[in-house]
Amino acid sequence: DAGVIQSPRHEVTEMGQEVTLRCKPISGHNSLFWYRQTMMRGLELLIYFNNNVPIDDSGMPEDRFSAKMPNASFSTLKIQPSEPRDSAVYFCASSPLYSTGFEQYFGPGTRLTVT
Amino acid sequence: QKEVEQNSGPLSVPEGAIASLNCTYSDRGSQSFFWYRQYSGKSPELIMSIYSNGDKEDGRFTAQLNKASQYVSLLIRDSQPSDSATYLCAVTNSGYSTLTFGKGTMLLVSP
Repeated sequence: DAGVIQSPRHEVTEMGQEVTLRCKPISGHNSLFWYRQTMMRGLELLIYFNNNVPIDDSGMPEDRFSAKMPNASFSTLKIQPSEPRDSAVYFCASSPLYSTGFEQYFGPGTRLTVT
Repeated sequence: QKEVEQNSGPLSVPEGAIASLNCTYSDRGSQSFFWYRQYSGKSPELIMSIYSNGDKEDGRFTAQLNKASQYVSLLIRDSQPSDSATYLCAVTNSGYSTLTFGKGTMLLVSP
């Protein structure tokens, strides 16, 4: 069974450009999470979807960030305009959301560099 | 602000020894606890979950939970160089199905 799929794996862009990161969750999982990881701040939750509906976007750093989940098999995280401080690894994770456990399974990540 | 604290390390142990990784958390309502392993340049990989007080064993790994002390630990027996990685502790947020992650402990196992 395929795991979480993310694209692109690496993205280098110039400040001010729009960046779109893509994620396909594991089939049958109904929760999807976008994280950002840096050395300084560790792994931070940006936004969480349940059944394609955004539940908690309090981690989105500012209005330059937006996320969508148009269907159960696809989500995007967009940064517009991008800034050098957005450079990080962005992970997408999905979860089957059992009643007692909330195991999350991570994609390979997108390494974003903004120059 | 819910917090999950881990010693950043590195924790260095010789091959064959027991590695002990610790984590404390601030949210008393947390119900589920996880350990993820992250190799350099890779994504976090779930290796253990624990939901009730006590010990849970899976192969060379043992997770320990003490909710009264708000403490979770991971023991790795017979450590191997391939266990060298950063280990992330994750805790569910009360009332939510989201996780708060610690910053991780780097483990180095020397041959």
